Amino acid sequence: GENVEQHPSTLSVQEGDSAVIKCTYSDSASNYFPWYKQELGKRPQLIIDIRSNVGEKKDQRIAVTLNKTAKHFSLHITETQPEDSAVYFCAAPPFYNQGGKLIFGQGTELSVKP
Amino acid sequence: GAVVSQHPSRVICKSGTSVKIECRSLDFQATTMFWYRQFPKKSLMLMATSNEGSKATYEQGVEKDKFLINHASLTLSTLTVTSAHPEDSSFYICSAGTAANTEAFFGQGTRLTVV
Repeated sequence: GENVEQHPSTLSVQEGDSAVIKCTYSDSASNYFPWYKQELGKRPQLIIDIRSNVGEKKDQRIAVTLNKTAKHFSLHITETQPEDSAVYFCAAPPFYNQGGKLIFGQGTELSVKP
Repeated sequence: GAVVSQHPSRVICKSGTSVKIECRSLDFQATTMFWYRQFPKKSLMLMATSNEGSKATYEQGVEKDKFLINHASLTLSTLTVTSAHPEDSSFYICSAGTAANTEAFFGQGTRLTVV
């Protein structure tokens, strides 16, 4: 089945710096790669996703890049702000996608220091 | 659109009792619902896949007799934690999807505390 590895587990940056979180996946048939932000005690919130037919997607300060050959995808946050502090998860569906089934990475606790 | 509501948001129960958690898709019909468990500072661990009108599919290591899942309609799935023990205390989250879509829509989560 699908295996998703995420690094780093913790990341501390100064306000205004960039943050990069990386994930690898195992199933070459996976075609959808979402990133979630989760605040303590809350549900995961989709912040950006990318499908396998594109290599990069941007939404204001957030971007995701995908390298299908290497089976990895990354989240880039530029001009970080204290409110970006949260836990971020990458995810990927198993090859036998069942409409929303996702396997999650281990998570990255991002801390943005003012 | 694509709203998923989960109840209760918090529940405290005594050891040995059972607790039911509901997951509803409010504005779409969910062909499949998923149940995840999350320990503090850990990732979401998929417990089971719930399909309307059929038996749930459990991930390896998840006790199906402990975590009973019922998906009675296209908008409702329930997770019942039977004979709860303190080690069952956790954050449980459901998500819902459709066959035509890879995106997942999450409920608010339920914080279960077994005392």
